[in-house]
Amino acid sequence: DAGVTQSPTHLIKTRGQQVTLRCSPKSGHDTVSWYQQALGQGPQFIFQYYEEEERQRGNFPDRFSGHQFPNYSSELNVNALLLGDSALYLCASSLDIGGYGYTFGSGTRLTVV
Amino acid sequence: QKEVEQDPGPLSVPEGAIVSLNCTYSNSAFQYFMWYRQYSRKGPELLMYTYSSGNKEDGRFTAQVDKSSKYISLFIRDSQPSDSATYLCAMTSYNNNDMRFGAGTRLTVKP
Repeated sequence: DAGVTQSPTHLIKTRGQQVTLRCSPKSGHDTVSWYQQALGQGPQFIFQYYEEEERQRGNFPDRFSGHQFPNYSSELNVNALLLGDSALYLCASSLDIGGYGYTFGSGTRLTVV
Repeated sequence: QKEVEQDPGPLSVPEGAIVSLNCTYSNSAFQYFMWYRQYSRKGPELLMYTYSSGNKEDGRFTAQVDKSSKYISLFIRDSQPSDSATYLCAMTSYNNNDMRFGAGTRLTVKP
């Protein structure tokens, strides 16, 4: 049973560019959350998608946006990249009625130069 | 003051030792408490998930929650080199999907 799949694994972008990260949730899961993990820090909540809608958002600017597709997969888009956006971006999936037992993917390492 | 405080370590113990990992928090609304293990270049993996105060045991792992002191712990018995990883505490309140993580404690278990 495949867990959470994220692509790409690594990415290098230039300041000002835009990036799209992708996530396929664990089979049977219907909810996708995105987290940003800076080096040496714990993950920070960006937003959560359920039923193709953004259900909750953390303290991130509008440059961060997302989408969830009918098959529950999700995308994270970041516009006008800043050097400070360099981080590991984690996707976590869960079953809406399953509480907070999230399954995380291995992440996408984004480097902004 | 951060909402969730976790000693980053690093913590180094000999194989077979009992390991104690701790987090404190300031938000009394937190009701759900998790411990995740994160190996290098991997995403966090859920180890323990607790709701109420008290102890919860799963194999070599015991999670402890003291809501009155706003303090949670994870104990690892008979630690193994394969337990070497970063351990993250996480918590949230009812009906809130914004999980707050500690910074993680880096653990090394030496053979």
